[in-house]
Amino acid sequence: GAVVSQHPSWVICKSGTSVKIECRSLDFQATTMFWYRQFPKQSLMLMATSNEGSKATYEQGVEKDKFLINHASLTLSTLTVTSAHPEDSSFYICSARVWNEQFFGPGTRLTVL
Amino acid sequence: QQQVKQSPQSLIVQKGGIPIINCAYENTAFDYFPWYQQFPGKGPALLIAIRPDVSEKKEGRFTISFNKSAKQFSLHIMDSQPGDSATYFCAASIKGGSEKLVFGKGTKLTVNP
Repeated sequence: GAVVSQHPSWVICKSGTSVKIECRSLDFQATTMFWYRQFPKQSLMLMATSNEGSKATYEQGVEKDKFLINHASLTLSTLTVTSAHPEDSSFYICSARVWNEQFFGPGTRLTVL
Repeated sequence: QQQVKQSPQSLIVQKGGIPIINCAYENTAFDYFPWYQQFPGKGPALLIAIRPDVSEKKEGRFTISFNKSAKQFSLHIMDSQPGDSATYFCAASIKGGSEKLVFGKGTKLTVNP
């Protein structure tokens, strides 16, 4: 149990385009999901906390207009990177909380050319 | 005060050895301490977690030792195997894990055959 999936697993896009990443809890309902960003050989950096049916809470320094988060159902949260630029290239990971534990998705590698 | 300090940054052991990874925190409100294992290109996987009402918890070859007075906790991997080679992250949260996780910077473990 407690399986979290992400789609796509990797994406390459041109600068200026928008990219949507999906995070799904497959076998449980998650009222809270989290979005992280991870640079090579570094720790996870929390970007935002996503609660079903309400606006996401962004961490300090994260541009909410650039990283749009929608948690439309108890099993799906999406992260849209708007007008992506090369500096947005990173590994994006979501997690879902159940039983006060966080389970992570496999991550999405975004490369912006 | 929100930091979790993890050491060492990297660790190399021989197969069968017992690597030990240490974490320290300042915030006495932390009451949930999970450890995650991450392989390259994958999301973190929850290994084991402890709450401050116990001083030790074992799950298979993985053991967490917790010292509340010293505000330290550590991960021990018994009979380590080459397949344990990965990056390990400690983390901490308040309210029993219902709030966001604060991650350590990670330890890259290499287990040589």
